[in-house]
Amino acid sequence: QKEVEQDPGPLSVPEGAIVSLNCTYSNSAFQYFMWYRQYSRKGPELLMYTYSSGNKEDGRFTAQVDKSSKYISLFIRDSQPSDSATYLCAMRRNAGGTSYGKLTFGQGTILTVHP
Amino acid sequence: DTGVSQNPRHKITKRGQNVTFRCDPISEHNRLYWYRQTLGQGPEFLTYFQNEAQLEKSRLLSDRFSAERPKGSFSTLEIQRTEQGDSAMYLCASSPYGVYNEQFFGPGTRLTVL
Repeated sequence: QKEVEQDPGPLSVPEGAIVSLNCTYSNSAFQYFMWYRQYSRKGPELLMYTYSSGNKEDGRFTAQVDKSSKYISLFIRDSQPSDSATYLCAMRRNAGGTSYGKLTFGQGTILTVHP
Repeated sequence: DTGVSQNPRHKITKRGQNVTFRCDPISEHNRLYWYRQTLGQGPEFLTYFQNEAQLEKSRLLSDRFSAERPKGSFSTLEIQRTEQGDSAMYLCASSPYGVYNEQFFGPGTRLTVL
């Protein structure tokens, strides 16, 4: 079983829809939770990150972490065609031990927003 | 362009050949990471450098894989005796001191082993 599970989709929504993307994980040592976006033939780029449980909002994007359920979400409001990409969740342990530089990624969800 | 650069962008090789990829991180980023991404999967961590020191190496990195970062600047990833299972996108990322969450990725080197 993978440490991080993510539904690969694909997910297709109309412009303006609210998109919900999710990941589950099994390793309780993960403390930092990130969402990266990857366009075709490009490297991933960071959208936002959260530490431990809670919510974080940045423009049209909201990240939620529920450590008790080992479940994280990314919501995209008023989705745009330019949001069409693969969305990757990623996680890492806290600093102070080994592996703190290592990001563990989910499989990625392919999102298409059509006009 | 001041982002992470990787060369070559594409490499086609025959099974059993050796290949070497290069990564130039963002200037003054002292941390450098290598990941491998296969089709339909997320990136998988391979190894990580802080300056010239290789601090961690994944179990995925078999003895055929070696990475170096001489002088703490650019890095090379070498794969010896390539196998078809090595076909993947090899991604390099860098981050400044104290920053682990935001890793700046390059465009990757796509390796095809025939």
